[in-house]
Amino acid sequence: DTGVSQDPRHKITKRGQNVTFRCDPISEHNRLYWYRQTLGQGPEFLTYFQNEAQLEKSRLLSDRFSAERPKGSFSTLEIQRTEQGDSAMYLCASSSGQGSIYEQYFGPGTRLTVT
Amino acid sequence: AQTVTQSQPEMSVQEAETVTLSCTYDTSENNYYLFWYKQPPSRQMILVIRQEAYKQQNATENRFSVNFQKAAKSFSLKISDSQLGDTAMYFCASAASGTYKYIFGTGTRLKVLA
Repeated sequence: DTGVSQDPRHKITKRGQNVTFRCDPISEHNRLYWYRQTLGQGPEFLTYFQNEAQLEKSRLLSDRFSAERPKGSFSTLEIQRTEQGDSAMYLCASSSGQGSIYEQYFGPGTRLTVT
Repeated sequence: AQTVTQSQPEMSVQEAETVTLSCTYDTSENNYYLFWYKQPPSRQMILVIRQEAYKQQNATENRFSVNFQKAAKSFSLKISDSQLGDTAMYFCASAASGTYKYIFGTGTRLKVLA
């Protein structure tokens, strides 16, 4: 299966701890996106990479959040000093830079629970 | 700013029947794209259908079709011959041309009844 993968699928952490999530996009996709989805809501855009460059960040991405895509392949999303309000599903998506550039392919998500 | 509104939190339909999910949006952009995504329980989101705003013809994909009313800023999804596997959350989304972030609605939970 060459779809978007995310690791871990579930993460439980205590308030104040740091967590890091990984996303592996479809191999030929140069664009990568992070979204956050809370219960009963649609996904909300967090940030976007084209290759290794982070081109856009949402206001939702506070200074406790940092995302990287060091070699233009996989990406990591780190949350420092987690708060209960960070509990959500974190979705990664990728898209090609050619043809249907607006079609994003989503991963299964990482569900974060902060206790 | 773009917004997407889905006013039906939950819907149900009998197997083999037809159901329509509503979506309205607001944008000041001239060029944009609209999408319907399906999120089955505990599974990842997949694209159901896509519409380019500059195209007047409504998109269709097998049993799925849209009713795109640009002036009314409406983008509804019709599912014909509903199947049990159509049970899922359905999200409407928009993306302005030149940007890559999707703006999602809050979703409609569809249950297909046997």
